Amino acid sequence: EAQVTQNPRYLITVTGKKLTVTCSQNMNHEYMSWYRQDPGLGLRQIYYSMNVEVTDKGDVPEGYKVSRKEKRNFPLILESPSPNQTSLYFCASSSPMMRGANVLTFGAGSRLTVL
Amino acid sequence: EDQVTQSPEALRLQEGESSSLNCSYTVSGLRGLFWYRQDPGKGPEFLFTLYSAGEEKEKERLKATLTKKESFLHITAPKPEDSATYLCAVDGGATNKLIFGTGTLLAVQP
Repeated sequence: EAQVTQNPRYLITVTGKKLTVTCSQNMNHEYMSWYRQDPGLGLRQIYYSMNVEVTDKGDVPEGYKVSRKEKRNFPLILESPSPNQTSLYFCASSSPMMRGANVLTFGAGSRLTVL
Repeated sequence: EDQVTQSPEALRLQEGESSSLNCSYTVSGLRGLFWYRQDPGKGPEFLFTLYSAGEEKEKERLKATLTKKESFLHITAPKPEDSATYLCAVDGGATNKLIFGTGTLLAVQP
């Protein structure tokens, strides 16, 4: 089954304790991206990657890091989490579709709480 | 700046009561407009892509239309299982991301 898999699905942590949210896709997609979803703000892009070893900042990259060493994996790293990073996180992937528009396939989400 | 506004924020319908959701957008060059459905505790699920004004797409009780300034998601004779948040997003082409609206929370009561 074609899918994007995120882990963990739920995590409660404390301020300053480094954590990694993993993301893996089995569709051989070039493009991968991380979004966070907050009430009233919708989905906002954190980082994206056009292909292996190519990453760039989205709209809200502060406090996050990413890497793309393999095509299928795109982990999100919070080096020193803070309470304002409490959110619902989604990983997504796509290949360019008709006329270049990207149809994103999303993971199930990772709900992170930072105390 | 690319922008997407959805209305209403929430909509409650009786089963069988047809209605429409609105997505207004501002984008420099539209590469595609997307509709997604999101159920509680799950990731957004792709419904439609529209590429140019006048285009329409249908899937079961849903029909999406597109003009140069907005898109509508028409829901005909909805059922309780249509209850979800419906998200609209645009790909403006200038940036490598989709710009999402904040969604419309639809509740269909039996």
